[in-house]
Parts: sequence; C-alpha cells; structure tokens
Amino acid sequence: AQSVAQPEDQVNVAEGNPLTVKCTYSVSGNPYLFWYVQYPNRGLQFLLKYITGDNLVKGSYGFEAEFNKSQTSFHLKKPSALVSDSALYFCAVRDLSYNTDKLIFGTGTRLQVFP
Amino acid sequence: DAGVIQSPRHEVTEMGQEVTLRCKPISGHDYLFWYRQTMMRGLELLIYFNNNVPIDDSGMPEDRFSAKMPNASFSTLKIQPSEPRDSAVYFCASSHGGASTGELFFGEGSRLTVL
Repeated sequence: AQSVAQPEDQVNVAEGNPLTVKCTYSVSGNPYLFWYVQYPNRGLQFLLKYITGDNLVKGSYGFEAEFNKSQTSFHLKKPSALVSDSALYFCAVRDLSYNTDKLIFGTGTRLQVFP
Repeated sequence: DAGVIQSPRHEVTEMGQEVTLRCKPISGHDYLFWYRQTMMRGLELLIYFNNNVPIDDSGMPEDRFSAKMPNASFSTLKIQPSEPRDSAVYFCASSHGGASTGELFFGEGSRLTVL
C-alpha cells in the first residue's frame, strides 16, 4: 500500500528564517503527492501537489515543495517563515491499491514559528 | 460558494446514544469523503462516495458506523450506538475528480465527545 511518513512531530523556526517540513513516501508506480495545512479548529486546506513535471512545485502562501525521486522525499519549504504559518502540516499520497482511489495522509507535523 | 458545510460543529453525548453527523458538499463536486481525526490515530479515511455511490468503506471501524449519500448535496455519518472511543473530530471533504486531483475541500469538522 502507498504511504507517507512525516518524521518530525514538531518543527520550530524563528520568523524570517527558512523552514522545511519533511515527508518521505513509499509508493508503487508514479507518486501523486500533496501538502495540506490545518489551522486550529479548522479543516485541512490544500497547499500544493506534485503529479508530474518540474520537481519544484509552488503552492499557496509562498510555500513550495521539492520532489526527489532518489530519496523518495517531498519536503515542504518556505524561504522566510511567518508567525502566521504556525499550523499543522500534512503530507498525503494518492492510493490506487485495492481498486480504490483515495488520499492517505501522514501523521502531521506541527510548525511553530517564533517572533 | 459557501464551502463544505458540516453540522453540528460540536456534539456531546452519552455512551449508547445515536449520533448523526451531516455534510453538505460544494455544489458540482462529485466526490465526498468522511475522515476522522484523533491524536492517537491521526487522520483516517472512513468512507468515500463518487456520484453518491459508496466506493470504499474499508475504513469504517465497525457495524456501528454507517454513511449515506441520498443525493448530491447531502451526506450523513451515523454512529449507533456510540462509544467513548468514537470521540474525535469528523471531517467531511468534497472534490471534483477525486484523489487524482488531490484538491479536497474540507469542512470545519464536527467535534464529537462521547461520555
């Protein structure tokens, strides 16, 4: 089955510094990968996706993610963090196994940006 | 569009009671997903529908859980009888094109507490 792993429960970064939230994947075939963000007491919001093409994907709110096939990674990045970026971030993968077509989410990484 | 609308936002009930969660997807979306979020298990897909037809219910915990989608604008998730371990935030999400697009639109969730 397809899966994603987010090795860090929490990432702390100072405002203005670059941030990285890590995600690795395990899929058979070509991966469809996604990042979502969840603010407190809200539903998840789509940030960006990789399906094919350029390995660097740009998304909402200045976020981008780099697809690395050799390292099976899809890390989320932002050049300069804002306090308002503090939230829970989920990596997800499309799962086509067992005659189904759905998104499987990672366990989430809490990003804390300090002023 | 108003987005995905879920009700109730909060529900507190006693063990053994029936609970019904409701969802109105975004108009025109042909996929509807029910997810459950807990600290211990993260975000789990319970069931999803395509054009009102249940496609994959392998994530439904047990027979106490049931979901219906009688028309394109309404879905319910029912728990009968409820148990304390069902306490979680239940999210409904809809999309046009399903997991292949990856862009799911989530409601704000229904927080269920079973005493």
